[in-house]
Formats: sequence, C-alpha cells, structure tokens
Amino acid sequence: GESVGLHLPTLSVQEGDNSIINCAYSNSASDYFIWYKQESGKGPQFIIDIRSNMDKRQGQRVTVLLNKTVKHLSLQIAATQPGDSAVYFCAENTGGFKTIFGAGTRLFVKA
Amino acid sequence: NAGVTQTPKFQVLKTGQSMTLQCAQDMNHEYMSWYRQDPGMGLRLIHYSVGAGITDQGEVPNGYNVSRSTTEDFPLRLLSAAPSQTSVYFCASRLTGLTEAFFGQGTRLTVV
Repeated sequence: GESVGLHLPTLSVQEGDNSIINCAYSNSASDYFIWYKQESGKGPQFIIDIRSNMDKRQGQRVTVLLNKTVKHLSLQIAATQPGDSAVYFCAENTGGFKTIFGAGTRLFVKA
Repeated sequence: NAGVTQTPKFQVLKTGQSMTLQCAQDMNHEYMSWYRQDPGMGLRLIHYSVGAGITDQGEVPNGYNVSRSTTEDFPLRLLSAAPSQTSVYFCASRLTGLTEAFFGQGTRLTVV
C-alpha cells in the first residue's frame, strides 16, 4: 500500500465520537478553502469547501469552520465511523489559480 | 465518466532517464494541476494550467516541464530523473478557481 503520510500528526478517536481536525493556512488573501480525504492508495477526494466570505458551512456529518482573523480552518466530523479513517488535508486557493495543500492529519477511528 | 485518468500507475526509472506522465480528463475542466506527494510532506504543487496553451509554475517546478495543447490532456515531463524525484504524482482538474479538484489515482515513481 501507500507509504505516504508516515510522519503525519495523528488523531485517534473512538467510533461514535466527534472528530475535530485543525489546519492553519498561510495566505491571508486566500479566497477559497477545501477539505480533502485521502484513503490509502487513492487520490484525495473532496469533502467540503468554504469561501472566504463565510465562517461556517455544514454538510452531511461534516462542518467546516473558518477563522480569518487567525488564519485557521477546522473540520468537524460528527459520529465518526471506521470508514472515516484516512488522511485529511486542508487546501487553500490563492488568487483563484493555485491550490496549496497543508501537511495533513491522519485520523484513526477505534471500533 | 472516467474523470481524471493517469498513466502509468507505477514506473521505475534509472537516474538520468526522461519520461512523461500522462494525465487526461473528460470533464471539460479548464484548470489542471500536477502535485507530488512525499511521506510527511502533504501535496506540493509542481505546475498548473488555467486553460489550453497556458501553464505556470507551482511550488516545486524544477526538473519538470508541462504543456497544455488541448483542454483534455496535461502531460508532465521529467527531463533527467533524479532519486529526489521518487514520489507519488497526482494530476487534478477543476472547473473553475472556486470549485473542488478531482484527482487521478496517482503514479508511483521510483528513481534508482
């Protein structure tokens, strides 16, 4: 399988608990933010996004919070399931053309 | 709907060899990008394109070339492979600058 992500920060949660994954972004001019999920051996998959004129957006079991004052983004996963185990990346769009990824966090869900 | 297709899935090169990683998308997306992913480093942007005939450098462009002659295809060329280019390479496309990216399955490249 994939060897990427061996040294990533890890968050371990119990099945059914809520998970919060945090991300600090770098560019105060970024106007669009995305969370991706990457399972072993696969490319990243879109989870949820938020534009810079919002501070919260909700999807199915997921919520993204944006704090532009401190350049912080978080992903909340409600009722975490074993299938949520993966590496999660935040990404920021700078100037609409470039998407820059954060380092990622590995989520491990204990059954 | 195939989405984003990358070939090959695996490749081993000798130092100094050149090769092209292929990427094709069938979603009529204007924006396409190449990333490399190393352990503990997340994804780093190599090159990107905002439309046919238009390309620009990302965070780590050295040692790589790209071209965009059609909307569908965005090949990545390694000019003279080095062991430091051992990585997993992902191609991505998106409709606009404010929409999510769709990724291919990746190419695992080893340079010996």
